[in-house]
Amino acid sequence: GENVEQHPSTLSVQEGDSAVIKCTYSDSASNYFPWYKQELGKRPQLIIDIRSNVGEKKDQRIAVTLNKTAKHFSLHITETQPEDSAVYFCAASTSNTGNQFYFGTGTSLTVIP
Amino acid sequence: GAVVSQHPSWVICKSGTSVKIECRSLDFQATTMFWYRQFPKQSLMLMATSNEGSKATYEQGVEKDKFLINHASLTLSTLTVTSAHPEDSSFYICSSLIPGHGGGYTFGSGTRLTVV
Repeated sequence: GENVEQHPSTLSVQEGDSAVIKCTYSDSASNYFPWYKQELGKRPQLIIDIRSNVGEKKDQRIAVTLNKTAKHFSLHITETQPEDSAVYFCAASTSNTGNQFYFGTGTSLTVIP
Repeated sequence: GAVVSQHPSWVICKSGTSVKIECRSLDFQATTMFWYRQFPKQSLMLMATSNEGSKATYEQGVEKDKFLINHASLTLSTLTVTSAHPEDSSFYICSSLIPGHGGGYTFGSGTRLTVV
């Protein structure tokens, strides 16, 4: 099955700085890679996603890059704000037609005001 | 749109009893529902995949007789934790594919189960 690894497990940045979280996956058939933000005790919220036919996607302060050859993808948050503090999870799916997907181990991001 | 309603949001039960968690898709048909468990400060771990009208597929290491999953209709999937023990205390979340989104998933609000 798919194995998703995520680094770092914790990350602290000063407000206004950038934060980068990296994930690797093992199944070359994976073709959909979402990123979720989860606040304590709440459901994960999709913040951005990327498909295997795209190398980069950006949405305001958030961007995701994908390297299919190396099987890794990264989340970039620029101009971080205190409200960005949360746990972020990457995930990989082997299909976009309904198959299960697997989460990374999570990164606890703290933005220091 | 694409909302999954999960109930209860929290429950406390005694050891040995059973607890049922429900997930309902409110405005779409959820042919597939995924059930996850999350221990404190850990990632979401896939427990099982349920498809409407058929038996659920369980991940390795998940006891199917302990975690009963039913997906009898296109809008309702249930997870029953049978003979609960304190080690079953966890955060349980369901998730379903968002129709027409090409791969995105919507999550229930989660159920915090505490077994005493």
